Amino acid sequence: EAGVVQSPRYKIIEKKQPVAFWCNPISGHNTLYWYRQNLGQGPELLIRYENEEAVDDSQLPKDRFSAERLKGVDSTLKIQPAELGDSAVYLCASSKPGQGRNTIYFGEGSWLTVV
Amino acid sequence: TQLLEQSPQFLSIQEGENLTVYCNSSSVFSSLQWYRQEPGEGPVLLVTVVTGGEVKKLKRLTFQFGDARKDSSLHITAAQTGDTGLYLCAGVGYNQGGKLIFGQGTELSVKP
Repeated sequence: EAGVVQSPRYKIIEKKQPVAFWCNPISGHNTLYWYRQNLGQGPELLIRYENEEAVDDSQLPKDRFSAERLKGVDSTLKIQPAELGDSAVYLCASSKPGQGRNTIYFGEGSWLTVV
Repeated sequence: TQLLEQSPQFLSIQEGENLTVYCNSSSVFSSLQWYRQEPGEGPVLLVTVVTGGEVKKLKRLTFQFGDARKDSSLHITAAQTGDTGLYLCAGVGYNQGGKLIFGQGTELSVKP
């Protein structure tokens, strides 16, 4: 079974430019997460979806970040405009309720460098 | 805000040595998980502990959940170079809608 798929793996952009990340969760996983991980730190939740509904976006900087999960499957995370401090790894993860307690499967991440 | 503090933040040891990583909080968690993350990869779940005092073993790795469910430890016996990576603890709090809160991680380097 395919894991969580993210693209692009790496992205280098100039500040003030837009960037978008895409995530395809594991088939059948109706919960989808976007995390941000700074170098040497643990992941921090940006937004969590239950199907197509964003149930927790309290940590999403809404002035420049947006996310969507059309049809409750794939998701995109957008940053516009990007700032230097946005350089980080953006991790997508998914889980299936009932499959153990909050067993979350992570993708390999999208590594963003803003210059 | 629930916080998880991991210690040490960095650990460099020789192959064959033992080590323990700690994960502490002032908050109670309904469950706690340990992940391992290799460079360029996403975190991979190692274990989930849910009962206070619970001990789980995964080959040379031993995980313990504190009796009060506020802390956890990961002990590695006879470390190998393949154990090198970032070890993350993450907890699910009560009344948090299943939100997983991560510690800052312990960067382990095992040298041959």
